Amino acid sequence: AQSVTQPDIHITVSEGASLELRCNYSYGATPYLFWYVQSPGQGLQLLLKYFSGDTLVQGIKGFEAEFKRSQSSFNLRKPSVHWSDAAEYFCAVALTGGGNKLTFGTGTQLKVEL
Amino acid sequence: EPEVTQTPSHQVTQMGQEVILRCVPISNHLYFYWYRQILGQKVEFLVSFYNNEISEKSEIFDDQFSVERPDGSNFTLKIRSTKLEDSAMYFCASSVTGPEKLFFGSGTQLSVL
Repeated sequence: AQSVTQPDIHITVSEGASLELRCNYSYGATPYLFWYVQSPGQGLQLLLKYFSGDTLVQGIKGFEAEFKRSQSSFNLRKPSVHWSDAAEYFCAVALTGGGNKLTFGTGTQLKVEL
Repeated sequence: EPEVTQTPSHQVTQMGQEVILRCVPISNHLYFYWYRQILGQKVEFLVSFYNNEISEKSEIFDDQFSVERPDGSNFTLKIRSTKLEDSAMYFCASSVTGPEKLFFGSGTQLSVL
């Protein structure tokens, strides 16, 4: 069955430390890949996306993600976390070739310690 | 920056009652979606809407649910007879081209008592 897995439910990092949030997918072909962020009381905001081409994609707020086909992964990274990055992060996929919906992972709650 | 607007932000209803959740998508967008997130669970796709008809729906979107774009600007989700398990945050989203770039509203928290 097709699925998106975010193995870490909660992650705590210190401000200024680096961050990596994991995402793995299981699909028959390489889907479109996304990372969204949800701050408390807010909607989902798109951080970045991968469709094809360069496997390292840059997003907003200093985030980047790397697509690794061999590992079916699309991990989100940030070199230096700010306290305002505390939020819930969702990996999502959409089928290429006309799929109409996003399938989300279960999310990773990020806590930033000052 | 244009945004997707959802009203109300919170809705409390009694089991068995009908509710209508309202959304105003971004004005030049063509694709419209409803997603929901039960507390502590993942965001789930409910339905997509394009060219005045449903283009895809999930198994969650049964006969109790319906969507409508009544006046060319609003996009509504109706739950005909709410159940306790319908309690969730409901997100509306819209896009120009499809799932490649969705803009989400801030959600309506529905509580069914």
